[in-house]
Amino acid sequence: DADVTQTPRNRITKTGKRIMLECSQTKGHDRMYWYRQDPGLGLRLIYYSFDVKDINKGEISDGYSVSRQAQAKFSLSLESAIPNQTALYFCATSPNLRLGVSSYNEQFFGPGTRLTVL
Amino acid sequence: AQSVTQLDSHVSVSEGTPVLLRCNYSSSYSPSLFWYVQHPNKGLQLLLKYTSAATLVKGINGFEAEFKKSETSFHLTKPSAHMSDAAEYFCVAPPPQLPNTGNQFYFGTGTSLTVIP
Repeated sequence: DADVTQTPRNRITKTGKRIMLECSQTKGHDRMYWYRQDPGLGLRLIYYSFDVKDINKGEISDGYSVSRQAQAKFSLSLESAIPNQTALYFCATSPNLRLGVSSYNEQFFGPGTRLTVL
Repeated sequence: AQSVTQLDSHVSVSEGTPVLLRCNYSSSYSPSLFWYVQHPNKGLQLLLKYTSAATLVKGINGFEAEFKKSETSFHLTKPSAHMSDAAEYFCVAPPPQLPNTGNQFYFGTGTSLTVIP
């Protein structure tokens, strides 16, 4: 099923170009995240959002910005792409916390966007 | 604070033999822990999760993991590897439901599993 979708799936661009990666979800989750994956480094958090008016920086937010246009949409922008931003980017969602329930912190991931900056 | 360490970056097994992927955690409170699998060119998919209900957790595709507090481990196992198990596996600690502990999901660096025919 395509509960979390990402566009584009692949993108090649040049240094200095502005790039936007888009994420949409039909899961009805309030929480959305952007990660980048690099070989040997696992996933690192770029930004996250707990609702439309809540945006938070992750551990590697420099060089990136985000926009939460609606509950279902969370976009990641690279204002001026550089080669070390070449990576696999993932969007994820998770439901809000509910008191007394510990088993639903699971994140649901999109298929990823492979970005190459030349 | 929490952290997750995957002890092997690469594991190679023969088809039909057991799989062991190791994960150790560090936490000042009783954690939840997940294992995710990532097949080539795919997103991450949840394999199984530990949430303190039972220490032996069964997941999809015949995988299971045992939470051992005394060893601070949550190793992933499967009795008999299949070619389709070849993938990247991530051990993950989600944020706890406690005040002032942050919202970070802690990812291990991943273990690449190769299955030899």
